[in-house]
Amino acid sequence: EDQVTQSPEALRLQEGESSSLNCSYTVSGLRGLFWYRQDPGKGPEFLFTLYSAGEEKEKERLKATLTKKESFLHITAPKPEDSATYLCAVRGTAQGAQKLVFGQGTRLTINP
Amino acid sequence: DAGVTQSPTHLIKTRGQHVTLRCSPISGHKSVSWYQQVLGQGPQFIFQYYEKEERGRGNFPDRFSARQFPNYSSELNVNALLLGDSALYLCASSLQDNQPQHFGDGTRLSIL
Repeated sequence: EDQVTQSPEALRLQEGESSSLNCSYTVSGLRGLFWYRQDPGKGPEFLFTLYSAGEEKEKERLKATLTKKESFLHITAPKPEDSATYLCAVRGTAQGAQKLVFGQGTRLTINP
Repeated sequence: DAGVTQSPTHLIKTRGQHVTLRCSPISGHKSVSWYQQVLGQGPQFIFQYYEKEERGRGNFPDRFSARQFPNYSSELNVNALLLGDSALYLCASSLQDNQPQHFGDGTRLSIL
């Protein structure tokens, strides 16, 4: 069964203090690893898709990387508006459906 | 362009009742998926529909059912509501099977 574990559960940073969020996964045939951002009371907002080990994607202060067992979301010089819950999800080949298996998320707080 | 729209935004029901939640995908998107998100957890896959056919079902009881209409909008039905069905129900749409899913802001369902 596909599984995703995110760490840490919660992270508090000062504005400008760079850090990384971890997503460890087990999946039978990776068809994509997805990062989403979720603000309170809102649905997840798509950030990145990674398909193969070694792939990297960047958007503003965020950079996502992928290995065969985990993905990292690096946040450089964060600002208070980067505060949100970051969700990682995988899609495997085991099911024919477009099923995403999510981790429990990392709640990120950036203090000014 | 309008994103995924869901209605209603909030709903309060009592145990034993049934509920219908509605979703309109992004224009041109033919795939719709439903997820349940309990507070503090990542979303859990319930159903996926593509071109009006069910493509996948998660580990949810038969009290949960869904359908997709010719205009690609979708309904999620839940019968015999239990207290444990209280959650945020999210709808996501995508253009094709391996494309990223884009989420609506969900329906917050509370069971009393």
